[in-house]
Amino acid sequence: ETVMTQSPATLSVSPGERATLSCRASQSVGHNLAWLQQKPGQAPRLLIYGSSTRATGIPARFSGSGSGTEFTLTISSLQSEDFAVYYCHQYNDWVDTFGQGTKLEIK
Amino acid sequence: QVQLVESGGGVVQPGGSLRLSCAASGFTLSSCAMHWVRQAPGKGLEWVAFIRYDADDTYYADSVNGRFTISRDISKSTLYLQMNSLRPEDTAVYYCAKEQGGSGFYDYWGQGTLVTVSS
Repeated sequence: ETVMTQSPATLSVSPGERATLSCRASQSVGHNLAWLQQKPGQAPRLLIYGSSTRATGIPARFSGSGSGTEFTLTISSLQSEDFAVYYCHQYNDWVDTFGQGTKLEIK
Repeated sequence: QVQLVESGGGVVQPGGSLRLSCAASGFTLSSCAMHWVRQAPGKGLEWVAFIRYDADDTYYADSVNGRFTISRDISKSTLYLQMNSLRPEDTAVYYCAKEQGGSGFYDYWGQGTLVTVSS
């Protein structure tokens, strides 16, 4: 099974600033990587798929990059509604796996 | 629009059984692969089970293989997860999720249903 490792575990950023979240796969997943956002008490929401394609309705301040084993989610100019937990999800294998999450908190 | 609504969660004793349902609307269940994903309290996401769009293939996480069964009823537009021999470590919010067009990623998630395994 492919192990997904996210860093950092917690990221403190001020509103209006940029946030950069990382995700590393234990083996190549190609571009089969998605990013999810989860707010307290809510279901996860798809942000990015194919490592860099924004899902329907996702603002342009969210961008994804990377391939193989190294991936990045960048949120430019953080808004108050962006503070949440973010998960990477690889769907390259028969067994899907998720990172442990990065909590993005207000500084 | 696409909607997924889970139900069937609750409190069950270790060794007991529970069947979760996921009512789907806004799309054709027979055209989409579906997944169950769970989240233990305060923890991350864990994939549980998959059913192919034509139901010809199902896959399970090692942690539930042999105990859980994923199925669907097209006439009711409902996905199911039959959970037997439940253990305390199965305690979690269970989400159903729709896979987009065989691509592998999940474009819609339900709101989840809580399963608590405790004596």
